[in-house]
Amino acid sequence: DAGITQSPRHKVTETGTPVTLRCHQTENHRYMYWYRQDPGHGLRLIHYSYGVKDTDKGEVSDGYSVSRSKTEDFLLTLESATSSQTSVYFCAISLQGGDEKLFFGSGTQLSVL
Amino acid sequence: AQKITQTQPGMFVQEKEAVTLDCTYDTSDQSYGLFWYKQPSSGEMIFLIYQGSYDEQNATEGRYSLNFQKARKSANLVISASQLGDSAMYFCAMREGNTGGFKTIFGAGTRLFVKA
Repeated sequence: DAGITQSPRHKVTETGTPVTLRCHQTENHRYMYWYRQDPGHGLRLIHYSYGVKDTDKGEVSDGYSVSRSKTEDFLLTLESATSSQTSVYFCAISLQGGDEKLFFGSGTQLSVL
Repeated sequence: AQKITQTQPGMFVQEKEAVTLDCTYDTSDQSYGLFWYKQPSSGEMIFLIYQGSYDEQNATEGRYSLNFQKARKSANLVISASQLGDSAMYFCAMREGNTGGFKTIFGAGTRLFVKA
């Protein structure tokens, strides 16, 4: 168990509202990632972090921002949610070294109406 | 650009038979890692197997093996003796080379149905 908690687990919001998803880890791992999962697309990387205040864009970063002010928390913000951002969002971490496999949180189901 | 392709949206296999799930990748990096993950209907993502680009032997983990053909850029997952519990979505993934962050990208997935 890599100690990853995502919150909230489910959220319904309206178009144009800001939304923040939280990923919390208890193991002090350096690398953290946000993915979205959509049918036919698999998992697509939104943003990732390789340390406190060190973040970079992934494949589908438009409309999303992230922050990591401390090792254990990685926040994903939708500044103004759109219906195209309705998705399942997964947070993941990877260990330093080793085979860099990902450990995933349980996911957040976000619906933007 | 790095890319993962899984050409089989769905696959059926009879219980106790072997099945191969296809995965091809594209990268210009010399150092990379290849992974397979399983996602059952409950939604969690489960790591199955890993192959490093410099590993000469195919990776094996119990009933899972990864058929790594580097020249063809393929990393197929072989499940031997399929079980009903193997019914799930399977994702092939690639960790890009030693750039900052060790980004991992995924294919679109293959849904496997195991028939009794």
